[in-house]
Amino acid sequence: SQQGEEDPQALSIQEGENATMNCSYKTSINNLQWYRQNSGRGLVHLILIRSNEREKHSGRLRVTLDTSKKSSSLLITASRAADTASYFCADQGAQKLVFGQGTRLTINP
Amino acid sequence: DADVTQTPRNRITKTGKRIMLECSQTKGHDRMYWYRQDPGLGLRLIYYSFDVKDINKGEISDGYSVSRQAQAKFSLSLESAIPNQTALYFCATSGTVTSGANVLTFGAGSRLTVL
Repeated sequence: SQQGEEDPQALSIQEGENATMNCSYKTSINNLQWYRQNSGRGLVHLILIRSNEREKHSGRLRVTLDTSKKSSSLLITASRAADTASYFCADQGAQKLVFGQGTRLTINP
Repeated sequence: DADVTQTPRNRITKTGKRIMLECSQTKGHDRMYWYRQDPGLGLRLIYYSFDVKDINKGEISDGYSVSRQAQAKFSLSLESAIPNQTALYFCATSGTVTSGANVLTFGAGSRLTVL
């Protein structure tokens, strides 16, 4: 399988805390993307980081990329109950995206 | 209206039946994809099409076929459904790749149950 790994598979934190999710991939990439999925619904694109970038920010999201370790992390700061969802990384090589298995994030009020 | 519309949203069928899942998009994108989602396995690519005359197998194409009827329409067929094809199916689209980035827009999903 070409699928990468995400860690942890599930994460439960208190509202206001930061959440960190990690992703590893297997092949060389053009970019790495993070998507969010609310329960049973379609995925929504959050942020993209290119292979020549090391860190990127978007609002409360911070993504890092370490191409030497073939890994990325997504940090959500000051979490809110509405952040409860599953988060998927997807690595893009030449054309196709390969999705990880996802991290299920629960924010407790 | 949604950018990417999938029909039906839910379907229960029996083993051996032929099933078609339809996808239409209003984004004007050239590229369309069908993914399957199973618990704990993330999303796996079934088929993809980069334009009307282009069809490509993905990671798990066995037991499935597709038809790209127009730029805006991409349908997935299960010729003879079996229970292990019970899953949540997603259609996605992306525009012409700029600077190498292929960002997907997903439909809401079609939940298929094969008894």
